[in-house]
Amino acid sequence: QVQLVESGGGVVQPGRSLRLSCAASGFIFSNYAMHWVRQAPGKGLEWVGLISYDGTTKYYTDSLKGRISISRDNSKNTLDLQMNSLRPEDTAVYYCARAECGGECFLIDSWGQGTLLTVSS
Amino acid sequence: NVLTQSPGTLSLSPGGRATLSCRASHTVGRSLLAWYQQRPGQAPRLLIYDASKRATGTPDRFSGSGSGTDFTLTVSRLEPEDFAVYYCQQYASSPITFGQGTRLDIK
Repeated sequence: QVQLVESGGGVVQPGRSLRLSCAASGFIFSNYAMHWVRQAPGKGLEWVGLISYDGTTKYYTDSLKGRISISRDNSKNTLDLQMNSLRPEDTAVYYCARAECGGECFLIDSWGQGTLLTVSS
Repeated sequence: NVLTQSPGTLSLSPGGRATLSCRASHTVGRSLLAWYQQRPGQAPRLLIYDASKRATGTPDRFSGSGSGTDFTLTVSRLEPEDFAVYYCQQYASSPITFGQGTRLDIK
């Protein structure tokens, strides 16, 4: 079955950078677009961005454009989220999620368990 | 496209019927609206897509309806495991947006 395992979270000081990763298994990773979604403690879901199956198309939420970059390595079945100039308001659980198809595909059909990022001095 | 869910919290008893609303600020193209369930400490799970189609594994007591700007998730015959937070999401175009969630509590 679909397995998505995030890693890389932890406590980071404001202004620093961090890379979150997601290891995928149980499906043909290179066939599917992938998303990142975040959830601040006690709050709702916020979409972060999408990368197409081949990495050529990317969409980011406006509020994070310029500070984030999503990439993937289809040879290793991994998805990454690079976050720069971190702020306390970036504190959240970050979910890796699979799109239901390969291209500009915005429906999410599977989710990882998430990794918690805390931005604090 | 801003999605507004109501009510914020719904308190019902097991065996009851829940009706959750999701209203969009603009028409959701092709009714590309989904519903997700999130239990405490867990990741969200896809329940309904294309406004009314049940995802694999979704019990038939869950049903979705609506089009345009008004959508509804109905849960008939509430089971204990149904008490959770429910989010609607539009995926017609970027940026994807979620509603703020409706918490379904046991009365």
